[in-house]
Amino acid sequence: DAKTTQPNSMESNEEEPVHLPCNHSTISGTDYIHWYRQLPSQGPEYVIHGLTSNVNNRMASLAIAEDRKSSTLILHRATLRDAAVYYCILRDYNNNDMRFGAGTRLTVKP
Amino acid sequence: AAGVIQSPRHLIKEKRETATLKCYPIPRHDTVYWYQQGPGQDPQFLISFYEKMQSDKGSIPDRFSAQQFSDYHSELNMSSLELGDSALYFCASRSGGRRGTEAFFGQGTRLTVV
Repeated sequence: DAKTTQPNSMESNEEEPVHLPCNHSTISGTDYIHWYRQLPSQGPEYVIHGLTSNVNNRMASLAIAEDRKSSTLILHRATLRDAAVYYCILRDYNNNDMRFGAGTRLTVKP
Repeated sequence: AAGVIQSPRHLIKEKRETATLKCYPIPRHDTVYWYQQGPGQDPQFLISFYEKMQSDKGSIPDRFSAQQFSDYHSELNMSSLELGDSALYFCASRSGGRRGTEAFFGQGTRLTVV
């Protein structure tokens, strides 16, 4: 999998939007961009994924740069339950290699 | 809905012993991943299987082996355990294929080596 770079940590206030960036300058044409999060003492949890176009689901939105070298996970209204480590992962759809890098620890303040 | 089941949830072993961790994927999922997560660390990819064949290999020590059985469950066998093997071990499953479907993770097995 190509490498991703994320900030170590971010803070947000409750009920405000959060934009979590991810750089993946070596992304290839067959890489999907996946986001997972890991709440304390739990296994990772899928958030969203996309290939080229922006994506929305009930949890979040994913904005993908036109050149695909970066993406941003958007939580529209952060809640205390969104406090977690967020991981941006590139997964080549030609294989089953899915590796976590160093994610972003999101702290949500009441 | 059925989730990924891992057993046991907790395991305590002594150095140089062996351990077997089991993973039961979501029904009709044909791909299984194993991860190791040490205290305060990010999950490290160990190995994956697709349709009962090894698919990709990560940083799995030679002392560890894994397989996926005909019913798609998977086992991670760990021998000559070391203190440094103490970690959370996660299993994940997904439907194989080219469209980037999401993986579902189990609650993990916490292995403590004493």
